[in-house]
Amino acid sequence: ETGVTQSPTHLIKTRGQQVTLRCSSQSGHNTVSWYQQALGQGPQFIFQYYREEENGRGNFPPRFSGLQFPNYSSELNVNALELDDSALYLCASSLDGREWGSPLHFGNGTRLTVT
Amino acid sequence: AQRVTQPEKLLSVFKGAPVELKCNYSYSGSPELFWYVQYSRQRLQLLLRHISRESIKGFTADLNKGETSFHLKKPFAQEEDSAMYYCALNEGFQKLVFGTGTRLLVSP
Repeated sequence: ETGVTQSPTHLIKTRGQQVTLRCSSQSGHNTVSWYQQALGQGPQFIFQYYREEENGRGNFPPRFSGLQFPNYSSELNVNALELDDSALYLCASSLDGREWGSPLHFGNGTRLTVT
Repeated sequence: AQRVTQPEKLLSVFKGAPVELKCNYSYSGSPELFWYVQYSRQRLQLLLRHISRESIKGFTADLNKGETSFHLKKPFAQEEDSAMYYCALNEGFQKLVFGTGTRLLVSP
């Protein structure tokens, strides 16, 4: 069974630029969630995709957007980067987004630094 | 708003000592709570869920609705338990609200 993989592992961008982060979900999982983890904080929910549709969004501005593809892989796009966007971005997949409490399986994350 | 509070950033104990990692939550409905753990150089992973009422690696956690708590306990800590522990509340359909985490350090 292949776990959740994220790319790239590290990224450095300049304020105002755009960035795309990628995630391959665990085999058989149809739901992908994205979390932002700032230094010293717990992960914070950005949004979730279930079968290619957004299925909930946290308190993040519209410049954070995403996609889920037919193979259930996913992208997180962030436009007009700000210094506060510097964080670890975690992708998590789960078996079925409709099922309460289905465990999340996390990737190793992408460390984004905005200068 | 839903919130999860882990009051301790760091908990340091000796091997064999009991461990209790505190977690308090605020939630208007019937909560579903989790403990996730991150060992050094590993990814965040599920440790246990309150609805399972199981013991994983010797850890247990009981939901106390009166005190709005979900503390994680282990009677005898081991060095391999050293890790970052996060308490999380399910807002609905796997949208988790995480606490800020507690680093457990078990010394020999």
